Amino acid sequence: EVLLVESGGGLVQPGGSLRLSCAASGFTFSSHWMSWVRQAPGKGLEWVAYIKQDGSNKNYVDSVKGRFTISRDNAKTSLYLQMNSLRAEDTAMYYCARLDYPQYFQHWGQGTLVTVSS
Amino acid sequence: QTVVTQESSFSVSPGGTVTLTCGLTSVSVSTSYYPSWYQQTPGQAPRTLIYNTNTRSSGVPARFSGSILGNKAALTITGAQADDESDYFCVLYMGSGIWVFGGGTKLTVL
Repeated sequence: EVLLVESGGGLVQPGGSLRLSCAASGFTFSSHWMSWVRQAPGKGLEWVAYIKQDGSNKNYVDSVKGRFTISRDNAKTSLYLQMNSLRAEDTAMYYCARLDYPQYFQHWGQGTLVTVSS
Repeated sequence: QTVVTQESSFSVSPGGTVTLTCGLTSVSVSTSYYPSWYQQTPGQAPRTLIYNTNTRSSGVPARFSGSILGNKAALTITGAQADDESDYFCVLYMGSGIWVFGGGTKLTVL
C-alpha cells in the first residue's frame, strides 16, 4: 500500500522558516516524480513544486520561487519542502503527492497544516 | 498568468447526470494538457478520479468519465449518488514541470 505521511507543519511568524517532510513507503520512491500541493483554508488546490526522480529537475509556482526549496532523499524515501520568508498567504494545508505518468497526482498524503501568523 | 476555469458550483438530482468542465481562458484544452480530475470532501485529502483525459483511476466507479467536450476537458457523472456530493478539481499540465489547478466545483446532490 502506498503511504505518504507529511510532518513539520505548525505555527510560524511572518518571515520565519519551516521545513516540511513527507515519508514515503509502499513503492519505489526513487522511480517517481514527487510534488507538493497546498490548499489555503476554504480555498482550492494549488500546485507548489515538483522534483524529478534524481532531483536533477525542479520547478515551482511563481509565488514561492526564491523562497521555497523542494528536495528529496531517495535513501530515506523522503521528500522535503524548505519554506523561508513565510507570508500570511502561505497559510495552507500542504499535501505531498506522488506524480505518475502522464503528469498526474496519483497518491496523496493526508497533509500537514502550516499557519503563518503573528 | 494561466487561469484554469471551472464552474464554481453545480447541482444534480440523485440518479441524474452532470458534466463539469475545465477550460483555459485563451486557448482550447486538448489531451496534450493531460487533464486530470480529483474529488475532495471536507477535511479529507483529494482522491484521484480521472487522469490522461479519460482514464479512471483504480477503484473509481464507472459512473465517472472524462472527455474533451468542445474546447474544454469534462468530467461526467452518470447516475449521481448522494456521496458524490463533493468538491471537484481539475488540473492541467502546462509543460516544463508546471501544473495549474482550476478553482474547483462544489457539487450538490439534491
